[in-house]
Amino acid sequence: NAGVMQNPRHLVRRRGQEARLRCSPMKGHSHVYWYRQLPEEGLKFMVYLQKENIIDESGMPKERFSAEFPKEGPSILRIQQVVRGDSAAYFCASSPPGQGRRQQYFGPGTRLTVT
Amino acid sequence: DAKTTQPNSMESNEEEPVHLPCNHSTISGTDYIHWYRQLPSQGPEYVIHGLTSNVNNRMASLAIAEDRKSSTLILHRATLRDAAVYYCILRSLTQGGSEKLVFGKGTKLTVNP
Repeated sequence: NAGVMQNPRHLVRRRGQEARLRCSPMKGHSHVYWYRQLPEEGLKFMVYLQKENIIDESGMPKERFSAEFPKEGPSILRIQQVVRGDSAAYFCASSPPGQGRRQQYFGPGTRLTVT
Repeated sequence: DAKTTQPNSMESNEEEPVHLPCNHSTISGTDYIHWYRQLPSQGPEYVIHGLTSNVNNRMASLAIAEDRKSSTLILHRATLRDAAVYYCILRSLTQGGSEKLVFGKGTKLTVNP
């Protein structure tokens, strides 16, 4: 069973460009979470999605950031008009459906560098 | 999610046991204690979790105080591959609670050869 996959692993964008980060959850997992880790800082929750629904976006910046998890295909975290402060590692995690607070399985992350 | 307190860093020697403490004095009855770790340049990795009783798995043991206000993650024989930041996280089972993990600063474990 393949783990959580993220691509690209490294992404370089110039200021003002768009960044698209992809996350394929583990097979059978319908819950996806995105976290961001700024340089020398801890991980911060951004958004929690289930198939076709955003459940909790309390950690998402109000502007330029959006996330989706379509019925088919990977989850996408989209950052429009990137700025230098968006440079960070973005981690996706997934968990299976069902009750309770199940463990989250993390991907290897996408390291975004804005030049 | 309730707050946890961990030492910023700890050091251990290879093949010796390591006890990583976590204080969570405001824990509620429905909070599970979870531990994750993050190896350098990798995503976090689940280690173990428990509610009231001590727990063991292939990676570690979790010792939970009787009043549940503190817990200790035990690595029985540290290896160089255990060098990581270890996070103690409380997660509530109450309906309507957020599914998100709230990471603190964690404990950076250094393992000396």
